[in-house]
Amino acid sequence: GQQVMQIPQYQHVQEGEDFTTYCNSSTTLSNIQWYKQRPGGHPVFLIQLVKSGEVKKQKRLTFQFGEAKKNSSLHITATQTTDVGTYFCAGPTDSGGGADGLTFGKGTHLIIQP
Amino acid sequence: DVKVTQSSRYLVKRTGEKVFLECVQDMDHENMFWYRQDPGLGLRLIYFSYDVKMKEKGDIPEGYSVSREKKERFSLILESASTNQTSMYLCASSFSSYYGYTFGSGTRLTVV
Repeated sequence: GQQVMQIPQYQHVQEGEDFTTYCNSSTTLSNIQWYKQRPGGHPVFLIQLVKSGEVKKQKRLTFQFGEAKKNSSLHITATQTTDVGTYFCAGPTDSGGGADGLTFGKGTHLIIQP
Repeated sequence: DVKVTQSSRYLVKRTGEKVFLECVQDMDHENMFWYRQDPGLGLRLIYFSYDVKMKEKGDIPEGYSVSREKKERFSLILESASTNQTSMYLCASSFSSYYGYTFGSGTRLTVV
């Protein structure tokens, strides 16, 4: 079945350093979504990318969708303590459907040292 | 804002008990989902529903069933709880996989 892999599993950074997490799917995706889960919280939807090569920005966060629509990345510039959490990517289980659920990557845990 | 409400934040049950986890959403979403989240394994889809009385198996449906009698409510049932079902259970709703999911706060279930 479809697999969504994320690396790294853990990332320690000093506050103010940049952070990047990478997501790779075994199949072509119709879209890719990113979520953030704070410690003790639940996943919160950040953004969805749909087009090949798409780049979207949210303040210090930059999201990219690969040309082949099989990979994606999230880059955070100048991390802050509020960025702590786990970042998940997710893609539709059935790339041609819409109601088959999302397959999530295992997430990247961002740990920030002040 | 869309709200997805899970009935319990923490739950402790005994092995063999029948357990009901309730989830209610208030935005008329067609699709609802149950995931479990375990350290090192991420979020895994148990069941989902795209309409009232409709249900589809996810990746790990064994030992679980679901019920969707009303559009806003999606229940997860553990027929006979076992210790390996100790986990965080997350309910989510969405218009479809082409839209972001809204998750509930989760139910941390411990089976002893």
